[in-house]
Amino acid sequence: GDSVTQMEGPVTLSEEACLTINCTYTATGYPSLFWYVQYPGEGLQLLLKATKADDKGSNKGFEATYRKETTSFHLEKGSVQVSDSAVYFCALPSGGSNYKLTFGKGTLLTVNP
Amino acid sequence: NAGVMQNPRHLVRRRGQEARLRCSPMKGHSHVYWYRQLPEEGLKFMVYLQKENIIDESGMPKERFSAEFPKEGPSILRIQQVVRGDSAAYFCASSPWGDGSYEQYFGPGTRLTVT
Repeated sequence: GDSVTQMEGPVTLSEEACLTINCTYTATGYPSLFWYVQYPGEGLQLLLKATKADDKGSNKGFEATYRKETTSFHLEKGSVQVSDSAVYFCALPSGGSNYKLTFGKGTLLTVNP
Repeated sequence: NAGVMQNPRHLVRRRGQEARLRCSPMKGHSHVYWYRQLPEEGLKFMVYLQKENIIDESGMPKERFSAEFPKEGPSILRIQQVVRGDSAAYFCASSPWGDGSYEQYFGPGTRLTVT
């Protein structure tokens, strides 16, 4: 079935460091791909998405490119801030539906000043 | 506009008791989704409801679990006769439409602990 594998955490970085969180997927066809973020004490929020191969999603300085050839959707940011500390989830709709999201296990990012 | 509300945020139940988890969707949203996150795993889809209808319950365990979304009031996820394996974080999400073209907005989750 459809699945998502994302980089194990936790990840600890200093402010202004570069971030990459790896995400690879297994799916039938070419589903949309998502990154969600969960800040402490809050619900998951959609961070960015890409709907087809070679699309690049971007938001708040984060980027991810839909790579069909490597079945990947890695999350990147050139300079992280303390306020980026959160749990990041890669996700895709699965099971032949466009609403039934399948998530990775989540990667905890801590950014120190 | 208030976000998706879930209560309680933390719930402790002894084995054999019932757990009721509530979810109030965002204003104007009539589609609700429940997900469960077991320890060390990603969120897994459980059920999709519209007002007064269960649309897809393919992720729900066959026994002890039920969900409803009445015409008035919050959506309820009910777990009867809880066991230790039910300990998890339960997340609710809502959207204005159910065709996948709209983002799902998530609540902060209810963390259920079964002792």
